[in-house]
Amino acid sequence: DQQVKQNSPSLSVQEGRISILNCDYTNSMFDYFLWYKKYPAEGPTFLISISSIKDKNEDGRFTVFLNKSAKHLSLHIVPSQPGDSAVYFCAASAQNQFYFGTGTSLTVIP
Amino acid sequence: GAGVSQSPSNKVTEKGKDVELRCDPISGHTALYWYRQSLGQGLEFLIYFQGNSAPDKSGLPSDRFSAERTGGSVSTLTIQRTQQEDSAVYLCASSLVATPAQQPQHFGDGTRLSIL
Repeated sequence: DQQVKQNSPSLSVQEGRISILNCDYTNSMFDYFLWYKKYPAEGPTFLISISSIKDKNEDGRFTVFLNKSAKHLSLHIVPSQPGDSAVYFCAASAQNQFYFGTGTSLTVIP
Repeated sequence: GAGVSQSPSNKVTEKGKDVELRCDPISGHTALYWYRQSLGQGLEFLIYFQGNSAPDKSGLPSDRFSAERTGGSVSTLTIQRTQQEDSAVYLCASSLVATPAQQPQHFGDGTRLSIL
């Protein structure tokens, strides 16, 4: 059973616009959420995270929002750049186990 | 390099053969994780090592899968009597401490395993 879901397999955005990637989860015990970025033939690299006690965390162009009542988190990238084109995975953790979504492939069009 | 190193990067083998995948974590990282990513799927947790503690094997899909970590550093994931459904990218990650709030995981580039 998939505890972390990314329902959009792909997203295309114009350069300079906002990219919004969404993630839903089912387990209310998750206490930490992370976003990873993955280029082809490379391992995922950590992007940004948020604790369950917060509802927003910002790092430069990247902001993660957490809505615990809806069990939903999102990653906002603004402004989007062509170099942001990659697969983005959201992940959630509880008791040092990590659960990943299936990823969303973002294409930023120049 | 200073990152997580996995070998081989690609492995093709016949059904029924045993395979060993290797992971060299970042020096000093006490936590080590194995994941696999099948086509079109997310990362599936397999096993987790923390220091010298007994590993958390709860994600291993069958008893054909085993892993060990020697000296708290290098880890090998062994798949015995491989099946076609074992075909996937196997990813290793390490972190300085197991608590994610303190340190995110650093991933290797993975081993792409293909079972013929």
